[in-house]
Amino acid sequence: GENVEQHPSTLSVQEGDSAVIKCTYSDSASNYFPWYKQELGKRPQLIIDIRSNVGEKKDQRIAVTLNKTAKHFSLHITETQPEDSAVYFCAASPPDSKYAGGTSYGKLTFGQGTILTVHP
Amino acid sequence: GAVVSQHPSRVICKSGTSVKIECRSLDFQATTMFWYRQFPKQSLMLMATSNEGSKATYEQGVEKDKFLINHASLTLSTLTVTSAHPEDSSFYICSATKTGWGTGELFFGEGSRLTVL
Repeated sequence: GENVEQHPSTLSVQEGDSAVIKCTYSDSASNYFPWYKQELGKRPQLIIDIRSNVGEKKDQRIAVTLNKTAKHFSLHITETQPEDSAVYFCAASPPDSKYAGGTSYGKLTFGQGTILTVHP
Repeated sequence: GAVVSQHPSRVICKSGTSVKIECRSLDFQATTMFWYRQFPKQSLMLMATSNEGSKATYEQGVEKDKFLINHASLTLSTLTVTSAHPEDSSFYICSATKTGWGTGELFFGEGSRLTVL
């Protein structure tokens, strides 16, 4: 099955600095890579995602890059703010497939998470 | 957007009892729902894939007789933790994708924090 490795486990930056979180995946068939932000005791929130047919995607201060050959993807947050402090998870998903009478849409494998702290 | 609601948000039970957690898609139909488990300061671990009208598919190492999953309709999946023990204490989160969509965004429930005394 898929294995997703995420680094670093903790990241501390000053407000205004950039933060980069990196993930690698093992299944070359994976084609969907979302990033989630999770605040303590709350549900994960999708912040950005990328599919395997593009190499980069940007949404304001957040960007994600994907290197299919090397099987790694990264989250970049620029101009960090204290409210960016949270746990960030990367994930990978294989192509749709059928089994057990249904479909495996959205079967994500998550990375271990990165605790990001932005100091004012 | 799409809303997934999970209930209860917190539950405390005695060891040996069973606890049922509900996951509902409020404004869309979900052919497939996923149940994750998250220990403190750890990642989300997929427990099982719940398919409407068929048996759930469990991940390796997850006891299907202990974690009963029922997906009786396109808007409701339930997870029952049977004969709960303290080691079952965890944060359980469901998620769903919209019927007919390809690989895409997962919508998560609020999560249910189970504490077994």
